[in-house]
Amino acid sequence: AQSVTQPDIHITVSEGASLELRCNYSYGATPYLFWYVQSPGQGLQLLLKYFSGDTLVQGIKGFEAEFKRSQSSFNLRKPSVHWSDAAEYFCAVGADNDYKLSFGAGTTVTVRA
Amino acid sequence: IAGITQAPTSQILAAGRRMTLRCTQDMRHNAMYWYRQDLGLGLRLIHYSNTAGTTGKGEVPDGYSVSRANTDDFPLTLASAVPSQTSVYFCASRAHYTGELFFGEGSRLTVL
Repeated sequence: AQSVTQPDIHITVSEGASLELRCNYSYGATPYLFWYVQSPGQGLQLLLKYFSGDTLVQGIKGFEAEFKRSQSSFNLRKPSVHWSDAAEYFCAVGADNDYKLSFGAGTTVTVRA
Repeated sequence: IAGITQAPTSQILAAGRRMTLRCTQDMRHNAMYWYRQDLGLGLRLIHYSNTAGTTGKGEVPDGYSVSRANTDDFPLTLASAVPSQTSVYFCASRAHYTGELFFGEGSRLTVL
């Protein structure tokens, strides 16, 4: 079964600074990888996904993520954060023969002025 | 607006009571899921359904049951609620080709 680790529970970043959120997965074959964002009191919204092809994927709200098979990682980045990026971010992994996604514990991002 | 509708939004429940969380989607997705979200644990899969008429157990199924009589509805039932079932519950459906999950707004359940 697949699993996901998000090593950082909480990250604080200044507005305008860059952001990187780490995600490591465990799965024997090529995974399907996702990043979701959850604003307070809301459901989850998809930021971006990786199925195959180009390992650098672009998402909504200026986010991107890079799939690195050798490191079993799928880190999320944003060059310049905005106060509205304060939220909780979840990495998820799925398998091509299984409809179920496994989620990491999440990383809470705080943006300071 | 197409999407997932969950009800109730919030509920306080006495231990031992029966509770059904409702979930309806209008996107005609085959696969649907129930997750619970707890601080520090992320989202954990309770039950899922790959298509109408079928269901399966997820990571934390004990104390919960589901049914899938049709494509649109996927209710989650707590037969006899316990305090450890205090959580936020999210229903989701999966798009056929992209694999993306679409989530409802969540149901916050408190069991006293």
